[in-house]
Amino acid sequence: GESVGLHLPTLSVQEGDNSIINCAYSNSASDYFIWYKQESGKGPQFIIDIRSNMDKRQGQRVTVLLNKTVKHLSLQIAATQPGDSAVYFCAEMGGGSYIPTFGRGTSLIVHP
Amino acid sequence: DGGITQSPKYLFRKEGQNVTLSCEQNLNHDAMYWYRQDPGQGLRLIYYSQIVNDFQKGDIAEGYSVSREKKESFPLTVTSAQKNPTAFYLCASSAVTGTQETQYFGPGTRLLVL
Repeated sequence: GESVGLHLPTLSVQEGDNSIINCAYSNSASDYFIWYKQESGKGPQFIIDIRSNMDKRQGQRVTVLLNKTVKHLSLQIAATQPGDSAVYFCAEMGGGSYIPTFGRGTSLIVHP
Repeated sequence: DGGITQSPKYLFRKEGQNVTLSCEQNLNHDAMYWYRQDPGQGLRLIYYSQIVNDFQKGDIAEGYSVSREKKESFPLTVTSAQKNPTAFYLCASSAVTGTQETQYFGPGTRLLVL
């Protein structure tokens, strides 16, 4: 809710800039990854997903990159807008489990 | 208009009281989940259900109970045994049990203790 972003890593950008949000995952057996956006006081919203047989996937204004060697996932948002301000978090799934593990998230603040 | 609904948006609990949070989905999803979210923390799994009349404990099930009598509904009861219930509660569902499927979330219920 209103305090979801409390004490989270924060990324501040200017409107129009590109944003890169990073996520390090822990389980080398994870093979499915999801990015969510959570606005203040609302439930998480699905943005984009990627499976481990890919290293890049593009959506509308968003790109997810997966580096399995270093267990790193990133979300790139092009031409960031004030409406993109939210908490973004990644989820990983795999190793025989169908229950995702969620990261803490990064708070993105977009200045007009 | 398909989706997941949660009610109420805000819920107040008196000490010693049990309260029930509602979660309904009309997505025809098999699996449903309850998470707790505290400030600055990742989502923590309370309970999940992969099929009607069956459910499993998650990582923090103590002080909570659930039922799954219908595919569309997965209510969560926060019992008096849960000593720190103040949090944002999120319900989610996914299409198919036992596969890697995206979870879709409801709008959440914020529970506050009086």
